Amino acid sequence: SAVISQKPSRDICQRGTSLTIQCQVDSQVTMMFWYRQQPGQSLTLIATANQGSEATYESGFVIDKFPISRPNLTFSTLTVSNMSPEDSSIYLCSVEGGRVYGYTFGSGTRLTVV
Amino acid sequence: AQKVTQAQTEISVVEKEDVTLDCVYETRDTTYYLFWYKQPPSGELVFLIRRNSFDEQNEISGRYSWNFQKSTSSFNFTITASQVVDSAVYFCALSRSGTYKYIFGTGTRLKVLA
Repeated sequence: SAVISQKPSRDICQRGTSLTIQCQVDSQVTMMFWYRQQPGQSLTLIATANQGSEATYESGFVIDKFPISRPNLTFSTLTVSNMSPEDSSIYLCSVEGGRVYGYTFGSGTRLTVV
Repeated sequence: AQKVTQAQTEISVVEKEDVTLDCVYETRDTTYYLFWYKQPPSGELVFLIRRNSFDEQNEISGRYSWNFQKSTSSFNFTITASQVVDSAVYFCALSRSGTYKYIFGTGTRLKVLA
């Protein structure tokens, strides 16, 4: 299965600022996914990032708040813009791991907004 | 609508005890996939198993076993002879065939005490 490197692993940010999270995959993948996990909660899909096209956002998530880039088949970034304490969460990227392995997740970025 | 229910919010066991984590799902699809993931305190999601809806065979992998019963829409996970390293949050998830979207349960926090 693919190996994902995600960074930063954690950050503490001031409200009103933005943070860009990077996700690097060791193989080419068509689709990359970004999830949010709020404290004590389950995972919620934010958006799907395809190389060469605009990301597709799930209900409740908008591009202005969570702009995504997908410049090539191994890399994607998610930006959390104009942050507020409610954005404090773990953000994870994910890729398809094949028929056997399901989806592979990055190690996550633990974001705290103060 | 699709839904995954993990009714057990938190379970505590003493090392070497067996423990079963429950997962009940709802879907109208005939073809779907079920997953279990482990999220240790470090935050990454670790893939444990993927099962398709046509394969009701129980699965055993070392101390882990899974019981899939379509009649009761359940996909339960048992850890035999639990160890402290098994302490984590465990998520059950459901996805429709041909789509990439996961529906996650709310997770069960397992604490294994030495």
